[in-house]
Amino acid sequence: QVQLQESGPGLVKPSETLSLTCTVSGGSMSHYYWSWIRQPPGKGLEWIGYIYYSGSTKYDPSLKSRVNISVDTSKNKFSLKLSSVTAADTAVYYCARSGGTEWGYWGQGTLVTVSS
Amino acid sequence: QTVVTQEPSLTVSPGGTVTLTCACSTGAVTSHYYPNWFQLKPGQAPRALIYSTDNKHSWTPARFSGSLLGGKAALTVSGVQPGDEAEYYCLLYYDDTWVFGGGTKLTVL
Repeated sequence: QVQLQESGPGLVKPSETLSLTCTVSGGSMSHYYWSWIRQPPGKGLEWIGYIYYSGSTKYDPSLKSRVNISVDTSKNKFSLKLSSVTAADTAVYYCARSGGTEWGYWGQGTLVTVSS
Repeated sequence: QTVVTQEPSLTVSPGGTVTLTCACSTGAVTSHYYPNWFQLKPGQAPRALIYSTDNKHSWTPARFSGSLLGGKAALTVSGVQPGDEAEYYCLLYYDDTWVFGGGTKLTVL
């Protein structure tokens, strides 16, 4: 059974960089796309971007200038960095796996609050 | 920017049937948008229900089905159970990016 688990600081100061890691267990990272998604309080889901296991990436255009997603298949982890955060970046952040067009497994999500 | 629209809320009686839809600002949704559907409940990991329009995961209950309907992606729940009360999101692939709909809050009353 594939499982994903997000981890990282729950509180980030404005203008700093948000950093999260997703640990994958129960399966290989090969031949899959690994995404980050977020849900601000009281709002809907927002796709942030994905990384293919080989390292190629694609980001949502509205976040592209601030986002970096990286992968370490040897450790079965992939990471999200979001720079210059503001209160609008406060959200539950999820990681998920897709096999191209088939989205499957998600993590439980982790709340990140941006506040001084 | 691509906008994906869902009904904000729907109410259905236990045992009834309800259809949720997913429209795209670019025009008619086709199979090339690879519609995916997800169920979200508070405190739980989102659960994938449908992929590529009408394909079910091994864990998807038989009462959930996906289709294309009138230029939109659709999720139909037949024989609704109280446990189906949740938020439902569609996800479309367009212009090399993924876009979520605004979500539908399904109430079972």
